[in-house]
Amino acid sequence: EVQLVESGGGLVQPGGSLRLSCAASGFTFNTYTMSWVRQAPGKGLEWLSFISVTGSTIFYADSVRGRFTISRDNAKNSVYLQMNSLRAEDMAVYYCARELTGLGYFDLWGRGTLVTVSS
Amino acid sequence: QPVVTQLSSVSASLGASVNLTCTLSSGHSHNAIAWHQQQPEKGPRFLMKINRDGSHNKGDGIPDRFSGSGSGTERYLSISSLQSDDEADYYCQAWGGGVRVFGGGTKLTVL
Repeated sequence: EVQLVESGGGLVQPGGSLRLSCAASGFTFNTYTMSWVRQAPGKGLEWLSFISVTGSTIFYADSVRGRFTISRDNAKNSVYLQMNSLRAEDMAVYYCARELTGLGYFDLWGRGTLVTVSS
Repeated sequence: QPVVTQLSSVSASLGASVNLTCTLSSGHSHNAIAWHQQQPEKGPRFLMKINRDGSHNKGDGIPDRFSGSGSGTERYLSISSLQSDDEADYYCQAWGGGVRVFGGGTKLTVL
């Protein structure tokens, strides 16, 4: 089955860190670029970060640049999001999404993992 | 990079047709966009990509009731024979300069 499965969400205190993982299956992972997208409670979708097939090209949204780090391991068919210095406004469901290299749009989404930032 | 704008809400009757609009910012009439559907309590699902010429490429399993078109800076998602499970949030997505952007979403209510 073609799918993306996120994990690693949970409760973290403000200022804390969390590492999200996204496991891909059912397709040739190393032919797709990947992104992380989040959705705060009751809000719309917000793109966060992009990583190229080899990991050599990375982009971030202004809201997370300097605090979040995207990476991937093609041998493990996985993409990761290291989140540091977490704030209350980072509380959201985090999705990973794939895009066929260079096309710019997401054609497959995961089900998401919830990150709660609270003391 | 482009900015995309959507109406916040639209309503239509069961069995009717509806058009959702995504408007690209000035200077980006050549951009393609993508539409994604998010049903309540679910993750997003890719519906289709709409090219600058109005042609579109649908995701796997998307019914024929869903179609797309475009004109100038506007890109449309058309849904015919509305069903109750079409009630969802619909997001327009654009890209450029390494950045991916979403519109604020249109909440479709099926009456």
